[in-house]
Amino acid sequence: RKEVEQDPGPFNVPEGATVAFNCTYSNSASQSFFWYRQDCRKEPKLLMSVYSSGNEDGRFTAQLNRASQYISLLIRDSKLSDSATYLCVQGNTGFQKLVFGTGTRLLVSP
Amino acid sequence: EPEVTQTPSHQVTQMGQEVILRCVPISNHLYFYWYRQILGQKVEFLVSFYNNEISEKSEIFDDQFSVERPDGSNFTLKIRSTKLEDSAMYFCASSRQGVVWETQYFGPGTRLLVL
Repeated sequence: RKEVEQDPGPFNVPEGATVAFNCTYSNSASQSFFWYRQDCRKEPKLLMSVYSSGNEDGRFTAQLNRASQYISLLIRDSKLSDSATYLCVQGNTGFQKLVFGTGTRLLVSP
Repeated sequence: EPEVTQTPSHQVTQMGQEVILRCVPISNHLYFYWYRQILGQKVEFLVSFYNNEISEKSEIFDDQFSVERPDGSNFTLKIRSTKLEDSAMYFCASSRQGVVWETQYFGPGTRLLVL
């Protein structure tokens, strides 16, 4: 089983739509999770960390379900500029290594 | 806003040649990393570095790879004898601390093409 699994998409949504991505992870000992955003041929950029209690940053909401070992990202009121690949990332316990999923591609159209 | 910088942005080399990829981490950061991303694939961890030592490396990071902090600002990745399969985007990253919840900031990457 892959360490971090994501649906590659693409998710095609109109502007203003709400879209949700899920990600599953296999290492139950992992303590930290993140969503990164990657634009085409660019570096990953941190979108938000994911906390056990769930957290929100503007139009973005992240949730962690430890029992089922999945993480979600909800984007409300999608903008054209949200078009990118969203990377689910796990921080390995005890070390600084980040484990990336393959990413979910989002295309927001006018 | 401080950022990680990398040079060169693109490098083309012949198979078997040595390449050195350079990175300048954010100035008050103490932990440094190299990741790579083969075209169309996921970002993969190569190595982490702290206090002039490798703290962790992946199975990709074999004897052909080495890292160095030659002075107070640069952090380099050397590939001794490049192979075709080394063609990828190489990202340097840095963080203030080495704990798992600390944000890693990525540089813009060096696109390496091995012919």
